[in-house]
Amino acid sequence: GAVVSQHPSRVICKSGTSVKIECRSLDFQATTMFWYRQFPKKSLMLMATSNEGSKATYEQGVEKDKFLINHASLTLSTLTVTSAHPEDSSFYICSAFPGTSGRAGAETQYFGPGTRLLVL
Amino acid sequence: GEDVEQSLFLSVREGDSSVINCTYTDSSSTYLYWYKQEPGAGLQLLTYIFSNMDMKQDQRLTVLLNKKDKHLSLRIADTQTGDSAIYFCAESLGGGYNKLIFGAGTRLAVHP
Repeated sequence: GAVVSQHPSRVICKSGTSVKIECRSLDFQATTMFWYRQFPKKSLMLMATSNEGSKATYEQGVEKDKFLINHASLTLSTLTVTSAHPEDSSFYICSAFPGTSGRAGAETQYFGPGTRLLVL
Repeated sequence: GEDVEQSLFLSVREGDSSVINCTYTDSSSTYLYWYKQEPGAGLQLLTYIFSNMDMKQDQRLTVLLNKKDKHLSLRIADTQTGDSAIYFCAESLGGGYNKLIFGAGTRLAVHP
């Protein structure tokens, strides 16, 4: 249980285009989803936290107009990188939190497999 | 402030034990986690420990927590080549609904 998927797994796009990345919790409902960014050989940096039906909370230094997050349902969150530039190339990883309803494993987030974005 | 530090690289022989260390600065951390990342993949939760515990054992994995020194370690017994990966230490001020602060990751290389 507690499987999180991401789509696409890899995307290459031209500079100036927008890219949408989907994050889905497959076998549970996620009250909260998180978006992280990982640079090569570096740690994960939290970009934003999103709760279903409300606006995302962005970390300091993350441009909310550039990285649009939509958490339209309890099983889906999307991250759109608008007007992508080469410096946006990175590995984007989402995670989902199933909530504290007594479910085993509610103490942690479950991570998707990541999406590698390359902007040319 | 929030900061998590790890050594960047560890090399061990197959069959030996591996010990990966982590230090954190926020004494308010309530949960501490170890994640494993294989090349090109996402993060796999290995284990976690609540801050009022000193030790947790799960099969080949042993987590030790020294809250006074803010030191966390992960011991992998009988290390196998399949254990080669990057191991991330992370802290959270609450449970899974709170953001995780990650260390830079320790790359574990297991050689014959």
